[in-house]
Amino acid sequence: NAGVTQTPKFRILKIGQSMTLQCTQDMNHNYMYWYRQDPGMGLKLIYYSVGAGITDKGEVPNGYNVSRSTTEDFPLRLELAAPSQTSVYFCASSRESNQPQHFGDGTRLSIL
Amino acid sequence: AQSVAQPEDQVNVAEGNPLTVKCTYSVSGNPYLFWYVQYPNRGLQFLLKYITGDNLVKGSYGFEAEFNKSQTSFHLKKPSALVSDSALYFCAVRYTNAGKSTFGDGTTLTVKP
Repeated sequence: NAGVTQTPKFRILKIGQSMTLQCTQDMNHNYMYWYRQDPGMGLKLIYYSVGAGITDKGEVPNGYNVSRSTTEDFPLRLELAAPSQTSVYFCASSRESNQPQHFGDGTRLSIL
Repeated sequence: AQSVAQPEDQVNVAEGNPLTVKCTYSVSGNPYLFWYVQYPNRGLQFLLKYITGDNLVKGSYGFEAEFNKSQTSFHLKKPSALVSDSALYFCAVRYTNAGKSTFGDGTTLTVKP
């Protein structure tokens, strides 16, 4: 099983550019999450989804958008990249909210 | 509101000695508690969880954790540390009826030979 797959692994953007971080899972999990991890900090929840067609904001949603058209995919969109969005982004999924989360290996994003 | 604290940024132990990584949480209902480990350039990996039942929970790689409701703690322990246990450890809490978990800021464990 592939688990949670994130693409790309690395990306450099210029200020004001846009991009989509892809996340897909093959475990038929209902819940999916996007986090960012800044150096020396824990994970901050950006958005999450409890199932296809349902999304909700986390702690730090400003500057990001998500969609959940299928159970498998949960892309994260940055519309106008800013230096403050330089971070490592992790996607995760779980079968239910009280079950352990499975994480992808992250996308390392630099905005210059 | 749910919150979790890991009071130590760094824990250093000698190989073969017992290790403890501390975690405390705020009380608002019945918590679900988790420990994850992160190796460099990788995502988090699940170690163990407490949902209900026995206060001592055993998990992967010889790790265990003790749920203490009166002290609102869920410390991660291992009787004998290995150099390969060196990594970043995260505690997370989720309360019933919450759709999401809150993670601590992480504790870097270094095991020296």
